[in-house]
Amino acid sequence: AQTVTQSQPEMSVQEAETVTLSCTYDTSESDYYLFWYKQPPSRQMILVIRQEAYKQQNATENRFSVNFQKAAKSFSLKISDSQLGDAAMYFCAYRTRGYSGGGADGLTFGKGTHLIIQP
Amino acid sequence: AAGVIQSPRHLIKEKRETATLKCYPIPRHDTVYWYQQGPGQDPQFLISFYEKMQSDKGSIPDRFSAQQFSDYHSELNMSSLELGDSALYFCASSRDRGYEAFFGQGTRLTVV
Repeated sequence: AQTVTQSQPEMSVQEAETVTLSCTYDTSESDYYLFWYKQPPSRQMILVIRQEAYKQQNATENRFSVNFQKAAKSFSLKISDSQLGDAAMYFCAYRTRGYSGGGADGLTFGKGTHLIIQP
Repeated sequence: AAGVIQSPRHLIKEKRETATLKCYPIPRHDTVYWYQQGPGQDPQFLISFYEKMQSDKGSIPDRFSAQQFSDYHSELNMSSLELGDSALYFCASSRDRGYEAFFGQGTRLTVV
């Protein structure tokens, strides 16, 4: 079974600074997807960024970028120019690319990192 | 743009009662996923459907069942409710089992 580990229960950063959230995962598969989801106090799950394991290039979405190290099974999220609206719980998630039993596999989430933005 | 619609948004039930949660996926999305998120926990995958057939099964209790209907909406039926079933239940949908799943706003179930 796949596992996702987020070793930082809470992180704090000053507004406008850069912060990196860590995520490691364990899998025996070679092809899979990785995601970062944001969950603000409204509890809505919002996709921040995704990465296909077969792509060597790190994904970027505006102020959000990832550092994907496949051999190390590491997938960190960097938030640049932090804004107050970035304050939320951030979940790292994994999903196999293949379809077990011909179906669509669900996501495996880490325990989350609570990001606090200091004004 | 249309999003995933879940109803009801909030539900209060007593122990041993039954609850039904509904999910209406984004138009033209044929895949639906259900997740359970307990207080202070990460979401746990329960079950998924593709083209009205069960696709994958996670940590769904035997007291729970679900199905996807001909119009692609899905319902999660929960019987013999326990206090520990109190949680936020998310539905997500994607197109053709695509990896990008969009989440609904969730149904908050409270069992008293």
